[in-house]
Amino acid sequence: NAGVTQTPKFQVLKTGQSMTLQCAQDMNHEYMSWYRQDPGMGLRLIHYSVGAGITDQGEVPNGYNVSRSTTEDFPLRLLSAAPSQTSVYFCASSYGGALHYGYTFGSGTRLTVV
Amino acid sequence: KQEVTQIPAALSVPEGENLVLNCSFTDSAIYNLQWFRQDPGKGLTSLLLIQSSQREQTSGRLNASLDKSSGRSTLYIAASQPGDSATYLCAVLDNYGQNFVFGPGTRLSVLP
Repeated sequence: NAGVTQTPKFQVLKTGQSMTLQCAQDMNHEYMSWYRQDPGMGLRLIHYSVGAGITDQGEVPNGYNVSRSTTEDFPLRLLSAAPSQTSVYFCASSYGGALHYGYTFGSGTRLTVV
Repeated sequence: KQEVTQIPAALSVPEGENLVLNCSFTDSAIYNLQWFRQDPGKGLTSLLLIQSSQREQTSGRLNASLDKSSGRSTLYIAASQPGDSATYLCAVLDNYGQNFVFGPGTRLSVLP
């Protein structure tokens, strides 16, 4: 049982480049989300999805796109990378919402934009 | 807007001590609260999940309590060990029951 898998683990981008952070889960979880973690600011929600075909914005969505074509995958796209997007990105999933089971997290992607 | 704070920001204790980490939230209308552990450079590991109807949860040397009316939760660690050194985060499920709001964490160091 792999849980929540994020790729890549590390990435360096130049300003203006685009890329996609991958997130996949094999637990048949309906809910998936993306957070970014910055020093002193905790984790902040970027986008989330309550099921295939449904996505919504979180607290800090600007500069990021998501889609949810399957239950298993929830990729996060950076359209035009900026140094302010240097952060650690975490994907999380939950079965039936977090009401009863809370979140399961991936191991994170450390992104540096130069 | 829900806000979550954690005190202290950092804590250093000798091995064997019992300790308490604090979490406060501004809106008491939460669905549940989850405590996580994060090791340096790693992801988050779930420790305990407390539903809004519960007062506490226990797992091994860990005990988490929840007082919704006062907007507080505590994580009690008994007989601390160097392996407990990590950052501990609390998160509350927002009023829509979908997304967690995280505190900034408490960085714990247990000295041998």
